[in-house]
Amino acid sequence: RKEVEQDPGPFNVPEGATVAFNCTYSNSASQSFFWYRQDCRKEPKLLMSVYSSGNEDGRFTAQLNRASQYISLLIRDSKLSDSATYLCVVNIPPPRSSASKIIFGSGTRLSIRP
Amino acid sequence: DGGITQSPKYLFRKEGQNVTLSCEQNLNHDAMYWYRQDPGQGLRLIYYSQIVNDFQKGDIAEGYSVSREKKESFPLTVTSAQKNPTAFYLCASSMLLGSGELFFGEGSRLTVL
Repeated sequence: RKEVEQDPGPFNVPEGATVAFNCTYSNSASQSFFWYRQDCRKEPKLLMSVYSSGNEDGRFTAQLNRASQYISLLIRDSKLSDSATYLCVVNIPPPRSSASKIIFGSGTRLSIRP
Repeated sequence: DGGITQSPKYLFRKEGQNVTLSCEQNLNHDAMYWYRQDPGQGLRLIYYSQIVNDFQKGDIAEGYSVSREKKESFPLTVTSAQKNPTAFYLCASSMLLGSGELFFGEGSRLTVL
């Protein structure tokens, strides 16, 4: 089983719709979680951190479900400019005392149509 | 403006040639990373460095080498031993090693002919 898994999509939704996608992780000791956005042929950019209590930034809401080991990203009132690939990132503590490991999911492609 | 600069943005090389990709950051970050991304796939870690003169292999280090002689600089050499070097290479930095808050350069797209 992959350490971090995402539905690759593509999700194709009309402008103004609400869309949500999940990212599952296998290591229950994972400590911190993030969503990144990557435009076509560009570098990933941090979109938002995911806190235990959830995190909202404008039209974007990120949530963590530790019991089921997944994080989610909800986009409300989607815009054409939201079209991108969304990568989830999980920070996994190492088995011995050393730096934690950052794992990227393969990304979920989102396409917003007019 | 603080950030990470990668160069060149596009690079074409013949098979068997070594290639060095530049990565410079002025964010005063301790940790730096090199990732490789292939079409439709996630990022795979090649090498990372926590401090000057120290670096560690990532998941796919074979055929690559790095150096960290200055805090700001973390160049990656793609050697002729790398069997499939054509890819999008991304350099990143973070304040501390293991932080999930990474800042990426714009990437270097290497094509081996």
